[in-house]
Amino acid sequence: GAGVSQSPSNKVTEKGKDVELRCDPISGHTALYWYRQSLGQGLEFLIYFQGNSAPDKSGLPSDRFSAERTGGSVSTLTIQRTQQEDSAVYLCASSLAGLYNEQFFGPGTRLTVL
Amino acid sequence: GDSVTQMEGPVTLSEEAFLTINCTYTATGYPSLFWYVQYPGEGLQLLLKATKADDKGSNKGFEATYRKETTSFHLEKGSVQVSDSAVYFCALPSSGNTPLVFGKGTRLSVIA
Repeated sequence: GAGVSQSPSNKVTEKGKDVELRCDPISGHTALYWYRQSLGQGLEFLIYFQGNSAPDKSGLPSDRFSAERTGGSVSTLTIQRTQQEDSAVYLCASSLAGLYNEQFFGPGTRLTVL
Repeated sequence: GDSVTQMEGPVTLSEEAFLTINCTYTATGYPSLFWYVQYPGEGLQLLLKATKADDKGSNKGFEATYRKETTSFHLEKGSVQVSDSAVYFCALPSSGNTPLVFGKGTRLSVIA
């Protein structure tokens, strides 16, 4: 089957606008993760979904960031009132189960905030 | 919290040279350890992993041994190729949870 897919691949937006980034995990994977990759900060964990449990939001940098996962599959990461420092590549990954299973990464969404 | 420190590079090597990328970690207990690779224009891929002390992970000619006494997981390859040019990330699961903590990445360029 297909790997993790993300859309759009590139997004350019103006400061203050809201954006939505989408992730389609591998079918059957119960765990889904969002990370952010930026030049100054490297790879940072944002949020983690495991099955029907409440998500781990401990990595979200501010309350402008939120994510949901509908039906245990597709996930949407929303950034409200974007700022220039939000510019980064947003990576989604999924795995079979939470603990120590290989995480499969999507190609990422490159977000540029002007 | 758990953390990973790896040499940041960039590293430039000639083809067939020996490669070492150092990685040390701080963790509670003995977590699994991973090396991920990101080729130009592509997403992260798992390169190799080791799940317990003294384990050696290997793939595509790369090796790394889980050393608990030195808290290290150095990546090595005996003879690099141009196609190995990529960014390499050392990682481990964060303390008490499964999201990964990554090192800052090491960019490797191999020239013919």
